[in-house]
Amino acid sequence: GAGVSQSPSNKVTEKGKDVELRCDPISGHTALYWYRQSLGQGLEFLIYFQGNSAPDKSGLPSDRFSAERTGGSVSTLTIQRTQQEDSAVYLCASSSSGTRSYEQYFGPGTRLTVT
Amino acid sequence: AQRVTQPEKLLSVFKGAPVELKCNYSYSGSPELFWYVQYSRQRLQLLLRHISRESIKGFTADLNKGETSFHLKKPFAQEEDSAMYYCAPPFNQAGTALIFGKGTTLSVSS
Repeated sequence: GAGVSQSPSNKVTEKGKDVELRCDPISGHTALYWYRQSLGQGLEFLIYFQGNSAPDKSGLPSDRFSAERTGGSVSTLTIQRTQQEDSAVYLCASSSSGTRSYEQYFGPGTRLTVT
Repeated sequence: AQRVTQPEKLLSVFKGAPVELKCNYSYSGSPELFWYVQYSRQRLQLLLRHISRESIKGFTADLNKGETSFHLKKPFAQEEDSAMYYCAPPFNQAGTALIFGKGTTLSVSS
């Protein structure tokens, strides 16, 4: 089937506006991850969902960031009152299990530019 | 805290030269380690994991617990190996997400 998909592929927004980024994981994958990829910073973990468990939000950089996962499938990452430092590529990944050593499958990313 | 270090941001080599991409980690416990690769305009994807002890595209990585390293090696680099490589030692404190290093860009020229 199809891999992980993300939309939009590119988003330009003005500072202070809210944005929503969407992730469609691989069907049947119970674990879903959000990462942020910025120049010089590598890949930064943001949030993790596994089944019906409470999400691990330990990577969210501020309370302006939030995410939800509806029905154990699609996830939305919301950034409120965007700042220029939020500009980055936001990657979503899913895996068949949240346990160790399971391969993560990544989406193409959403490039967010805050002007 | 878990930590990953990839000391080189950029590694430039000529085609046919040996390649070693360094990765050091700090982790208490038995690590399960991965290398992920991102080719130009492609998605990030798994390259290899140490538990499988396999060679992918000619790359190997040996876990050295004494040095806490998981360096990625290839005896003869090819131009198509040019990409960004991320070392991903084990999970974060909660045991959920991978901790990625900052990545090393490998550039192979002819």
